[in-house]
Amino acid sequence: QQQVKQSPQSLIVQKGGISIINCAYENTAFDYFPWYQQFPGKGPALLIAIRPDVSEKKEGRFTISFNKSAKQFSLHIMDSQPGDSATYFCAAADSNSGYALNFGKGTSLLVTP
Amino acid sequence: DGGITQSPKYLFRKEGQNVTLSCEQNLNHDAMYWYRQDPGQGLRLIYYSQIVNDFQKGDIAEGYSVSREKKESFPLTVTSAQKNPTAFYLCASSAGGTYNEQFFGPGTRLTVL
Repeated sequence: QQQVKQSPQSLIVQKGGISIINCAYENTAFDYFPWYQQFPGKGPALLIAIRPDVSEKKEGRFTISFNKSAKQFSLHIMDSQPGDSATYFCAAADSNSGYALNFGKGTSLLVTP
Repeated sequence: DGGITQSPKYLFRKEGQNVTLSCEQNLNHDAMYWYRQDPGQGLRLIYYSQIVNDFQKGDIAEGYSVSREKKESFPLTVTSAQKNPTAFYLCASSAGGTYNEQFFGPGTRLTVL
């Protein structure tokens, strides 16, 4: 069963707007929450990651918000650009399985000019 | 030039044939992973290995086998027992331990005819 639930499945945002993708998990052993970006036909690449001891992490236009009590985390892309159009995956991992990643099903983001 | 290589990029096989996908890394990483990606399904873990000569099953290991005889290599065999092998296969590696980024290869697209 999917251990990480991701929404929405697809998202269309105008250039300059904010893109928001949400994820939820159940396994409280998870202690590492990365976000990956994937372009068609390519392997995913790490965008940003967070650990549960912080509630927010920002890197450039990308911010992760983390709510440990709600077991939810989200990715915010500020000032979205057409080059951000890609599929985004949230994931979660823990030491019990060698930090193998449990992925959400992905969000296809389209940023229109 | 460090990274992860997967070969071939595209692979076609007849139903009932075993096929081996190659994954090599020169990052000196201890941990290696195999994921399968299907449209709309995200990435799902097949096998992972934290050290040489040791590996563990992931969520969808049935019909697959792996070996880890060398640190830099983690080949995946898709056997005839795998009921629906057509997919995009991704190999990843990490330094292992806690919170270490997984780096992904470019993937192999397997089509079984």
